[in-house]
Amino acid sequence: RKEVEQDPGPFNVPEGATVAFNCTYSNSASQSFFWYRQDCRKEPKLLMSVYSSGNEDGRFTAQLNRASQYISLLIRDSKLSDSATYLCVALWGYSSASKIIFGSGTRLSIRP
Amino acid sequence: GAGVSQSPRYKVAKRGQDVALRCDPISGHVSLFWYQQALGQGPEFLTYFQNEAQLDKSGLPSDRFFAERPEGSVSTLKIQRTQQEDSAVYLCASSPGAAGDSYEQYFGPGTRLTVT
Repeated sequence: RKEVEQDPGPFNVPEGATVAFNCTYSNSASQSFFWYRQDCRKEPKLLMSVYSSGNEDGRFTAQLNRASQYISLLIRDSKLSDSATYLCVALWGYSSASKIIFGSGTRLSIRP
Repeated sequence: GAGVSQSPRYKVAKRGQDVALRCDPISGHVSLFWYQQALGQGPEFLTYFQNEAQLDKSGLPSDRFFAERPEGSVSTLKIQRTQQEDSAVYLCASSPGAAGDSYEQYFGPGTRLTVT
């Protein structure tokens, strides 16, 4: 079992729809989580950190469920420009002795 | 300001050749990471430097892979005797703090290595 697992998709949704995807992690000691966005043939860029209480940034909402060991990303009122691969990242350990694990990514395609 | 840069952007190597991939992190960033990304996969961790110290090299797939960051800034990932399975995009990322301090990682554009 991979340490961080994501549904690869693709999710194909119409513009304006709401879409959500989850990411599960196996290490219960994971303490920090992130969503990165990666456009085709480009480098990953941070979309948002995920806080324990959940957090929102415009149309994007991230949630953490420690009991079930998953994080989620919700995108409301999706735009064509949201089409990308979304990478889930889990980090455990502290300071210099830590592990950073990326999921394989969920592909999202927004259609007009 | 300048972001993370990598060179070359594309490299074609014949099987058995040695290659060297360079990463220029953001100035002043303490942490530097190397990742390998195969098509359709997420980045796989290779190695991590905090300043000039290589603190984690657990992700290097074999002893043909070697990385250094001698002065705590520029880093080089070297692959000896390349094999076809080494074909991938090699991403470098830097971060202002230590790995576990939850700072954002800033990625370079990657080097696409093709081994023929």
